[in-house]
Amino acid sequence: DAGVIQSPRHEVTEMGQEVTLRCKPISGHDYLFWYRQTMMRGLELLIYFNNNVPIDDSGMPEDRFSAKMPNASFSTLKIQPSEPRDSAVYFCASSLSSQNTGELFFGEGSRLTVL
Amino acid sequence: QQQVKQSPQSLIVQKGGISIINCAYENTAFDYFPWYQQFPGKGPALLIAIRPDVSEKKEGRFTISFNKSAKQFSLHIMDSQPGDSATYFCAARSQGGKLIFGQGTELSVKP
Repeated sequence: DAGVIQSPRHEVTEMGQEVTLRCKPISGHDYLFWYRQTMMRGLELLIYFNNNVPIDDSGMPEDRFSAKMPNASFSTLKIQPSEPRDSAVYFCASSLSSQNTGELFFGEGSRLTVL
Repeated sequence: QQQVKQSPQSLIVQKGGISIINCAYENTAFDYFPWYQQFPGKGPALLIAIRPDVSEKKEGRFTISFNKSAKQFSLHIMDSQPGDSATYFCAARSQGGKLIFGQGTELSVKP
């Protein structure tokens, strides 16, 4: 299996622009997570989905952030408008609920820089 | 309630030494405690995990010690090697599958 695929790997944009991050989970996995990683705050859970349905979005920092999962093989995280404090590495991860370990498989991340 | 506190923030160990990273939690409903390892430019990857009904789990040079009454758990890396240099995250899973991570520990193993 190809693993979790994220795009773009790097994004540099200017404040006020819209940013869309994309994720393809591992085929067959029924959970999908979006995390944000910064030096100051570590790995923060933003939102997660089960069977394409958002379960908990309490970690989404503001209304400028939105996430969708239109089908089992694709999810997006959108920031509109972006701000410099949104600069971080955004990770997508997926897991299989029937797997006893509950292991999360992470993508390689999307590094976002907002100037 | 949802926090997982990890220490130290950074750790320097000589090759062959023991690396110890500690974590504490508050929510007694957590049911699974994994450790993830992250190399620069990569996503975290599962290293080892334990359930709260077990006090210790060992896989090769990596051991988790779990103290349910103290709500603490730790990762021990025996015979630390330069290749172990990475950032380590403890985590705890709540009901519904939500995984909460500690702040991370940057481990450097000197040759």
